[in-house]
Amino acid sequence: GAVVSQHPSWVICKSGTSVKIECRSLDFQATTMFWYRQFPKQSLMLMATSNEGSKATYEQGVEKDKFLINHASLTLSTLTVTSAHPEDSSFYICSARAIQVIRVTEAFFGQGTRLTVV
Amino acid sequence: AQTVTQSQPEMSVQEAETVTLSCTYDTSESDYYLFWYKQPPSRQMILVIRQEAYKQQNATENRFSVNFQKAAKSFSLKISDSQLGDAAMYFCGASGSRLTFGEGTQLTVNP
Repeated sequence: GAVVSQHPSWVICKSGTSVKIECRSLDFQATTMFWYRQFPKQSLMLMATSNEGSKATYEQGVEKDKFLINHASLTLSTLTVTSAHPEDSSFYICSARAIQVIRVTEAFFGQGTRLTVV
Repeated sequence: AQTVTQSQPEMSVQEAETVTLSCTYDTSESDYYLFWYKQPPSRQMILVIRQEAYKQQNATENRFSVNFQKAAKSFSLKISDSQLGDAAMYFCGASGSRLTFGEGTQLTVNP
């Protein structure tokens, strides 16, 4: 399958600072990327969907000013957690999907980023 | 709106036996895919099987097969000849314009 690289794998930051997480599709063009948040032993909660060149569509209850998503190219999307607080500590996962000529393909997942805010 | 529901938080199966994981979904989109992903302790999401909603034939991948009942909006996963390596959290997902998942089912495989 295709490879999605997410970086960093883990990060510790101080409260009030911003953290950027990168998600790259290495061998395909990702027209759509999804960002998820996952708490221990829970499901993946969709935060936002971003299509290349367009503004991200945020799920209800997700603060768009706090979780900035950029999808400027077909191989890179970034999630920036601004003014991070301890409650933002979580596991963040990105997923990239390519659109074939007619049909939607499967989504490929990054390895995830464990964010700890101290 | 799009929702995915997994009603079995935990399941267990004996090695070499068969187990079925349940999933129901609801979507307003006419063109969508359904997936089963597994997530081992490494937390890397791994695709197990996928089903195009427009196809009536149930998808099969080696020991993994699905029972797709479109009218009932049901999409269950059957694992045959269960192996110790099948132990993981399994997520059912639905994909149209968004990709959303159910709550997950933790599968334990007993030797």
